[in-house]
Amino acid sequence: AQSVSQHNHHVILSEAASLELGCNYSYGGTVNLFWYVQYPGQHLQLLLKYFSGDPLVKGIKGFEAEFIKSKFSFNLRKPSVQWSDTAEYFCAVGSGRRALTFGSGTRLQVQP
Amino acid sequence: SAVISQKPSRDICQRGTSLTIQCQVDSQVTMMFWYRQQPGQSLTLIATANQGSEATYESGFVIDKFPISRPNLTFSTLTVSNMSPEDSSIYLCSVERGGGETQYFGPGTRLLVL
Repeated sequence: AQSVSQHNHHVILSEAASLELGCNYSYGGTVNLFWYVQYPGQHLQLLLKYFSGDPLVKGIKGFEAEFIKSKFSFNLRKPSVQWSDTAEYFCAVGSGRRALTFGSGTRLQVQP
Repeated sequence: SAVISQKPSRDICQRGTSLTIQCQVDSQVTMMFWYRQQPGQSLTLIATANQGSEATYESGFVIDKFPISRPNLTFSTLTVSNMSPEDSSIYLCSVERGGGETQYFGPGTRLLVL
């Protein structure tokens, strides 16, 4: 069975710091990769997605993620975080069975 | 994207009772999904619901405990039966749209079982 690992459970950054959240998955076949964000009190929103092509994908609010096939990774990055980025971030993987497998989530706290 | 609504948004229920959660989508979709998010944890898929066929349940989830209906292409219900405090969770429905298994989520139903 496929699995998704997010190694950073809780990250605390100051505003303007750079962000990188790790995501690794275990599945040998073709995958679709996602990052979702859940702001406090809000529902889960799609941040960005990768299906194929350019392994560097850009999403909303200045986020980007890079798919490295050899490392089974899809790390999320942002060069300069803002207080409004405080949220929980979930990596998810689809492997063609139409349902997604989610990582455990990373809580990001940005201090002003 | 998709506009998805869920009812109720939250509820407090007594042990042994059942609660039916409704999920409404703004346009027709083939597949709808039900997830559970237990406190402090990630999302776990309960079942996949296709219109016109029985729902497909994930390991650890059974129809008697979580019966699902899918009467048309814009609506689904999930019932949490014979509830216990361990069922306290956020229950989310989602739909696939935009290709590549992209899913959009409803706002969730926050359930507390006493």
